[in-house]
Amino acid sequence: GESVGLHLPTLSVQEGDNSIINCAYSNSASDYFIWYKQESGKGPQFIIDIRSNMDKRQGQRVTVLLNKTVKHLSLQIAATQPGDSAVYFCDIVTGNQFYFGTGTSLTVIP
Amino acid sequence: NAGVTQTPKFQVLKTGQSMTLQCAQDMNHEYMSWYRQDPGMGLRLIHYSVGAGITDQGEVPNGYNVSRSTTEDFPLRLLSAAPSQTSVYFCASSYGHSNTEAFFGQGTRLTVV
Repeated sequence: GESVGLHLPTLSVQEGDNSIINCAYSNSASDYFIWYKQESGKGPQFIIDIRSNMDKRQGQRVTVLLNKTVKHLSLQIAATQPGDSAVYFCDIVTGNQFYFGTGTSLTVIP
Repeated sequence: NAGVTQTPKFQVLKTGQSMTLQCAQDMNHEYMSWYRQDPGMGLRLIHYSVGAGITDQGEVPNGYNVSRSTTEDFPLRLLSAAPSQTSVYFCASSYGHSNTEAFFGQGTRLTVV
């Protein structure tokens, strides 16, 4: 089966700094990748996605990078704000199968 | 703009009791699914449905039943609750099965004593 992991279960950053959250996967056939944000007491919320025919996609303050060679996905948050404090999940989709990582808890220090 | 609505938000059950977690979406999504979220284990798929009248098992289906009589509703039934089913449950819906992002409900925190 798919192996999905995150490099760090927790991450603390100073307000205003950039944050990088990582996710590794094992199946080279994975073709769609999604990042979700989950605030305390709420359900996961879509942030950004990327398909396997791309290696970078940018949103508002967020960038997702995909390195298919090493099967690595990252989420970059620019100028991190207190409202970015949450758990971030990657969702790795392979055909009609999808796997969620265990999540990285991001804490923003004022 | 309701999205995905789950009820109840909190529930305490005694071992052996049964109950139904409700999930409704108003986005006309064909695909709906149920997950459980446990500490350190991420989201695990329980059951899913690709359309009304069609359901299938996910990664951890034992102890749970589902049905999909309408596009909007996808209830999850616990037939005989066990302490191992203590978890936070999320319902999600999406346009497609696996090629678009999912919209999640707010979750149901279930405790089985």
